[in-house]
This record gives sequence, C-alpha cells and structure tokens, in this order.
Amino acid sequence: QLQLQQSGPGLVKPSETLSLTCTVSGGSISGSNYYWGWIRQPPGRGLEWIGSISYSGSTYFNPSLKSRVTISVDTSKNQFSLKLTSVSAADTAVYYCARHKVGQQMRDPWGQGTLVTVSS
Amino acid sequence: EIVMTQSPATLSVSPGDRATLSCRASQSISSFLAWYQQKDGQAPRLLIYGASTRATGVPARFSGSGSGTDFTLTISSLQSEDFAVYYCQQYNEWPPAYTFGQGTILEIK
Repeated sequence: QLQLQQSGPGLVKPSETLSLTCTVSGGSISGSNYYWGWIRQPPGRGLEWIGSISYSGSTYFNPSLKSRVTISVDTSKNQFSLKLTSVSAADTAVYYCARHKVGQQMRDPWGQGTLVTVSS
Repeated sequence: EIVMTQSPATLSVSPGDRATLSCRASQSISSFLAWYQQKDGQAPRLLIYGASTRATGVPARFSGSGSGTDFTLTISSLQSEDFAVYYCQQYNEWPPAYTFGQGTILEIK
C-alpha cells in the first residue's frame, strides 16, 4: 500500500530556507507517469498548490511562488524534496505532499502534513 | 490564473438531509474538476474527479455534476462523518497551475 511520509523541521527563521522531504513507500517514485507535488495550507485557510516534479526531473510551479521554490527528486531514495527560500510569516502553513498525473487531480494518499512555522 | 469560487462559505444542514455545495470557475474548465473532503487535522481526501466520477471507496451518497464553469457536489443523506470542509480544485490549465476554491464548511444544524 502506497504511503507518503514527510520529514523536516517545524520551525524556520524568517529569511531562511524551508526544506521538507517526502519519502514514498509501497511503490516506486519512478513508476506509472506520476508527478509528485507539494501543497500548503495556512492555518485556518484554504489549499495552495506549490509545484510538482516527475521522476525524471520535469517541474511545474505555482507562478506566485516560482521564484522561491525548488523541487528535486532522488529516485535512489524514493523521495522528493521541497525548498522554499526567503521565508516570511506568510509562509507559515501545513505543507502536504501528494501525487498526481499531469493534467489530473491529486490522488490519495497524501502525506501526513507538516506544520512549518516561520518565526524568530 | 483560473479562480475557483465556492458557495456558500458555511452550510448548516441536519443529519439525514441533502447538502448541495457549489463551485464556479472564472473561465471554462470543461470537466477538469475535483472535490476533496478535509476533516480537522487530516489531509484532504479525494471524493470526485472529472466533475462526476467518484473516487475509489467513496459512498454513493456523494455525487458531482456540472461542466464548463459551474459545478455542484451533492451529498444525498448526510451522515455524521460527512461534516467537514469541502474544496473544489481545477486542473484544466497548461502548463499545470492547479487552483483550489476557498472551501465550504459543512456543519451540523
């Protein structure tokens, strides 16, 4: 059964870089033409897609975040990662990872979510 | 960017009654629309994709309809476990720029 397990710090200082990793188990990150994405949700608010990557490294990003986002994939570890630079309090959110196919909906299961708080 | 607008923001319905949630796209998205359910402290769960296809394991009381710019999620007979927040999402754009609605809170009346 496919599972997505997130890891990374829950507290980041303003102006620094947020880094999260999503490890896929129960299946290969290289299989079935999936893309692997990141979505975030500020406290008490709605969902915002951040960006996605294929196993081969093709990426798509939310235009509003593109200048600050890097998404990478490590097929040897069956994981993909998010880096968001120059964070501010506005980046405080629960971050989720999920999979999808190009031009299709996000599929279950999602990662468990990581609350990242930006604060000094 | 395609903007998704959900209404109402909060819907109060009694258990056993029908709930109707709406989602409108700022431009036509054909049937490239999904609905998700989110409960407190949990990740979203996919309910409907392609505007009207139920995801695996989703009860038949959930149904989706619509195309173009106007979409509806209907829950035919509300169960206690259905009270949650519901989001619509479009996936029509190329290159991909998935956008979500702001959500509808479905609460017990």
